[in-house]
Amino acid sequence: KNQVEQSPQSLIILEGKNCTLQCNYTVSPFSNLRWYKQDTGRGPVSLTIMTFSENTKSNGRYTATLDADTKQSSLHITASQLSDSASYICVVSASGGTSYGKLTFGQGTILTVHP
Amino acid sequence: GAGVSQSPSNKVTEKGKDVELRCDPISGHTALYWYRQRLGQGLEFLIYFQGNSAPDKSGLPSDRFSAERTGESVSTLTIQRTQQEDSAVYLCASSLGASIYEQYFGPGTRLTVT
Repeated sequence: KNQVEQSPQSLIILEGKNCTLQCNYTVSPFSNLRWYKQDTGRGPVSLTIMTFSENTKSNGRYTATLDADTKQSSLHITASQLSDSASYICVVSASGGTSYGKLTFGQGTILTVHP
Repeated sequence: GAGVSQSPSNKVTEKGKDVELRCDPISGHTALYWYRQRLGQGLEFLIYFQGNSAPDKSGLPSDRFSAERTGESVSTLTIQRTQQEDSAVYLCASSLGASIYEQYFGPGTRLTVT
């Protein structure tokens, strides 16, 4: 069964600090991995998309890594801001067959940034 | 030029009634997805359309749920004989194509079944 597991479930940090969120997946065959940010009451917004051949991608203060061999990804947030408080969701897309285009979502990590 | 829109934004219905949720994707996006998000839970895939066809309906939780898409545009998600466990936010997303293309999400419809 395709699964995506994220850790930690929740995280509290002080403004200005860095943090790293983890994602492990068992989705197969793998197509791509995405990180989304979801503010409370809003739809998710894409931060990064990585394919099999990419092992790092940055979007401003967000840097995602991917190790396709170990099926692990991380999202590193640098110099956190209060507006970074949100749920961060790891999403893996399968390729081929009836699972083409279907995304498997992790449960998310709830990040709270305190002043 | 607007993003994905969904209507209604909120729906309160009595148990046993049917409801219809609407999604208007971004113009030109051939792929459309429906997800469900229960309170405090992650997103749950329901169904995906490529054009007007649904190659993957595996996420629909029961035969009370159905969806259709017409004109490679608007999609409706219908829930018959609603149950309290159907209460959730229903999110729609669209993308230029399946797989690698970025999905753009609508604001969701919050469904409450009393």
